[in-house]
Amino acid sequence: KAGVTQTPRYLIKTRGQQVTLSCSPISGHRSVSWYQQTPGQGLQFLFEYFSETQRNKGNFPGRFSGRQFSNSRSEMNVSTLELGDSALYLCASSLNARAVNTEAFFGQGTRLTVV
Amino acid sequence: AQSVTQLDSQVPVFEEAPVELRCNYSSSVSVYLFWYVQYPNQGLQLLLKYLSGSTLVKGINGFEAEFNKSQTSFHLRKPSVHISDTAEYFCAVTLNNAGNMLTFGGGTRLMVKP
Repeated sequence: KAGVTQTPRYLIKTRGQQVTLSCSPISGHRSVSWYQQTPGQGLQFLFEYFSETQRNKGNFPGRFSGRQFSNSRSEMNVSTLELGDSALYLCASSLNARAVNTEAFFGQGTRLTVV
Repeated sequence: AQSVTQLDSQVPVFEEAPVELRCNYSSSVSVYLFWYVQYPNQGLQLLLKYLSGSTLVKGINGFEAEFNKSQTSFHLRKPSVHISDTAEYFCAVTLNNAGNMLTFGGGTRLMVKP
């Protein structure tokens, strides 16, 4: 079966712009989580969606937002981009809402560069 | 809140030698523990996880990890590494009521030399 698909793979944006990243989970998976990966801060949890509802949110400013659609596809949006938002953004797809009961499958990520 | 510390940022090792990647966690409640691997320009892949039961957990690609509650550790081991094991390895924890939210350590870059 197809894995987790993140689009686009690479993106270059200018400071002050906004960006939308997309994640299509594995068919049948209802949970989508987003992570930011940077050399300085490592992997940090952004938010998790399950059945179109945000279940958990990490410690990021309000410029970072997300949503999930009825087909479980998810988007995250970053407004008013800053240089420090340059990162690899990873999406993880899970069958249900509890990590202890299911495996999280990660996409290849979207590498965002802010100039 | 829980946290994860990976004590070594880089571990160089010769091919066919054994390796141990160290992970310590901090939490006031019971946690569930995971090890993930990330190859260059790829996402993360689950190697193994500890939920309960036997403290020795076997995973894919010949890796295993041992949960030690008294030392709050979950070290990853492999008896004989291959060049193809060169990658970044991440230890992660979650709580029972935390959904799919994972807290990751800083990562350990395993460099296998011929």
